[in-house]
Parts: sequence; C-alpha cells; structure tokens
Amino acid sequence: QVQLVQSGGEVRKPGASVKVSCKASGYIINFYGISWVRQAPGQGLDWMGWISPKNHNTSIAQKFQGRVTLTTDPATNTFYMELRSLRPDDTAIYYCARASQPADYWGQGTLITVSS
Amino acid sequence: EIVMTQSPATLSVSPGERVTLSCRASQSVSSDLAWYQQKPGQAPRLLMYGASTRATDIPARFSGSGSGTDFTLTISSLQSEDFAVYYCQQYNDWPPYTFGQGTKLEIK
Repeated sequence: QVQLVQSGGEVRKPGASVKVSCKASGYIINFYGISWVRQAPGQGLDWMGWISPKNHNTSIAQKFQGRVTLTTDPATNTFYMELRSLRPDDTAIYYCARASQPADYWGQGTLITVSS
Repeated sequence: EIVMTQSPATLSVSPGERVTLSCRASQSVSSDLAWYQQKPGQAPRLLMYGASTRATDIPARFSGSGSGTDFTLTISSLQSEDFAVYYCQQYNDWPPYTFGQGTKLEIK
C-alpha cells in the first residue's frame, strides 16, 4: 500500500533552518512527484512546492522562493523539504503528498514550531 | 496566481440533510479542480478530482460538478463522519496549486 512517512516534529528558534523528510513506499516512485503543503494552526492549506523524482525538477510557490529547497534521495525513496530563515509565522504542520495531480496520498504531517 | 474562494465559511447542518458547498476560481481552471476532506488531527483526504470524479473508496453520496470558474461539492445525505472541513484546490495553473480557504461542516 502507498505510504508516506514523515519525520517527527521539531522546535526551532527564529532565523534557524529545518529539514523535514518524507519516505515513500508502496508505489513506483518515479511515476509521481511529491508536493509539500503546510497548514498553520487553525488555518487552511498552503501549497509550497513540488519535486519530480525522475529529473529532480522543482517548482516552488513564489512566497517561499529563496527560503525553500526540495530534494530527493533516490537510494532511499526519501524526499526532503528544507525551510530556512524561520519566522514564528512558519509554525505549522508540514505535509508531503504524492502528486498525481492532485495529491492523492498524504503523509501524516510534521509539526514545526518556531519560537524563541 | 489563481484565487480560490469557497462559500460559505461554515455550514450548520443536520445528519441526513443534503448539502452543497461552493468553490469559485478567479479565472478558468477548466475541470482541474479537486476537493479534499480534513478532519481534526488528520491529513487531508482526496474526495474528488477532475471536478466530478470520485477518488478511490469515496462513497457515492459525494458528487462534484462544474467547470471553468464555478464548482460545487454535494453530499446527498450527511452522515456523522462527514462533519469536517472541505477544501477545493485548482491544479490547472501553477505554481502555486492554490487551495480555497475551506468550508467547515458542523452539526446543527
């Protein structure tokens, strides 16, 4: 069965960076990209970006450009989202999702808390 | 970027009722429109794609319609497990693939 298993929650100080992982299994990895979506507490869904496992091409929403890097490790079928220059309003649950399009399978989410 | 607007923000309904949720795009997205259901503490779940195609294992009481800029999600007879927040998302033009702000279905 398709599974996306994300890394555990993290606490960071403002200005720091965080890297969230998403390990995919149960399907042919190269057939589907991975999207990253975040959700601030009590708020809606915010699409951050997408990566192709085939050629590693990425597309990042303008609001995150310069702060977000999406990568993948084909050897372990793991995808990564790094967010830099963290601010308190980056506190959110970060999801990876298999992007067919649209996103049909989602990870369990990773809570990133940014606080001094 | 395409702005997705959902209405209403909250809907109070009783189990067994029929309910229709609306989603409007700021420009045409053809039929590249998905609906998601999200329950507290859970990841979103894909309900509908292509505006009107149910995703795997989604009950027939869920139906979607529309194309271009106006879309609806209808639940024919609300069950207790359907009380949740519903989001629409366009995947026609990117980046970004924008979401609506959500409609919360609550028990009357």
